[in-house]
Amino acid sequence: EIVLTQSPGTLSLSPGERATLSCRASHSVSSNYLAWYQQKPGQAPRLLIYDASSRAAGIPDRFSGSGSGTDFTLTIRRLEPEDFAVYYCQQYGSSPLTFGGGTKVEI
Amino acid sequence: EVQLVESGGGLVQPGGSVRLSCAASGFTFSHYFMHWVRQPPGKGPVWVSRLNSDGSSTSYADSVKGRFTISRDNAKNTLFLQMDSLRVEDTAVYYCVRATGAMHRIFVDWGQGTLVTVSS
Repeated sequence: EIVLTQSPGTLSLSPGERATLSCRASHSVSSNYLAWYQQKPGQAPRLLIYDASSRAAGIPDRFSGSGSGTDFTLTIRRLEPEDFAVYYCQQYGSSPLTFGGGTKVEI
Repeated sequence: EVQLVESGGGLVQPGGSVRLSCAASGFTFSHYFMHWVRQPPGKGPVWVSRLNSDGSSTSYADSVKGRFTISRDNAKNTLFLQMDSLRVEDTAVYYCVRATGAMHRIFVDWGQGTLVTVSS
């Protein structure tokens, strides 16, 4: 099973700042099949990025994903008030599908 | 607009059973692989099970294998999760998820979730 470790656990930033979130895999993620999700309180996760760097439909271009192998990054270029949430990475290159523990982006 | 509406959650005793349903609309249900993902209170999501488009192939997390059964009724656009021999650690919000993309594992649409609480 691939274990995903996200860091930091909490990121305290202000609107307009840049957020850089890390996701490290215990083994190489096949074909860079890694996704990022955003979750707000009381809501289901929402797909932001898939295949490590492709934005999902309707996702603003301030969100970008990068990385390969075991190290991946989600960057939010300029934080908007609605971006304060918890972010999860997920690998789908091998079974079982696994999620990271999350990074909370707070004001 | 894609809609996934889960139902069937509630309070159940350890060792008990519950059947979750997910009513799908806004897309051709029979064309898509579907998954169940759960999220324990205060924790991250955990993949539970996957079912292919015609219902002939299933996959389960080790933690639920032999206790949970995923199925679907394509005529009624509905996904199910039969949960037996429930344990306290099965307590979670259960999400129905539509998948696309690589190996049908990209979770593009999620329901609002239904809470299952296993407690005596």
